[in-house]
Amino acid sequence: ILNVEQSPQSLHVQEGDSTNFTCSFPSSNFYALHWYRWETAKSPEALFVMTLNGDEKKKGRISATLNTKEGYSYLYIKGSQPEDSATYLCAPSTSGTYKYIFGTGTRLKVLA
Amino acid sequence: DVKVTQSSRYLVKRTGEKVFLECVQDMDHENMFWYRQDPGLGLRLIYFSYDVKMKEKGDIPEGYSVSREKKERFSLILESASTNQTSMYLCASSLGHRDNSPLHFGNGTRLTVT
Repeated sequence: ILNVEQSPQSLHVQEGDSTNFTCSFPSSNFYALHWYRWETAKSPEALFVMTLNGDEKKKGRISATLNTKEGYSYLYIKGSQPEDSATYLCAPSTSGTYKYIFGTGTRLKVLA
Repeated sequence: DVKVTQSSRYLVKRTGEKVFLECVQDMDHENMFWYRQDPGLGLRLIYFSYDVKMKEKGDIPEGYSVSREKKERFSLILESASTNQTSMYLCASSLGHRDNSPLHFGNGTRLTVT
């Protein structure tokens, strides 16, 4: 079973601050990594699918990078807004499986 | 937009009851998944299915079974509910066989076993 670690566990930032969090995973047999945003009372929503070492993806103020050789991915939020408050989950998978193993998430609270 | 619908948002069942959690997706996805989410733990995979009548165990299948008789429907069955199965259950689907397409989740079923 993949050991997926996300840090920090929780984070409070002021509106307008930029922030980033980390997802660490074993680098062997890497296949793909997903990032999800999970808002309270809603279902998790996919942000990014990342597959290649050095991948960078961007969606509005949110971006992500991937390093498969060292086994980590960063998620960045520029100019945080209250609506960014959510739990951010990463889920890597190993080749040949359907199993996306979820980290415990980073809970972000953006204070107005 | 893909819609994944779970039949109940909240369920309360008694220990020993047989419990069915139903999930339906409307986008002809091949893969369907059942996860449970508990405080301090990530989403943990119970079972998944990559085709009708095909299923594979996830990381925590004990005490659960599944059924996929039609492509759009994936049912999770608790044969004899126990209090340690009190949890939030999430169903998800994804597009195709052996691809890396993202998971689309339902809204979850919060099950309490008393």
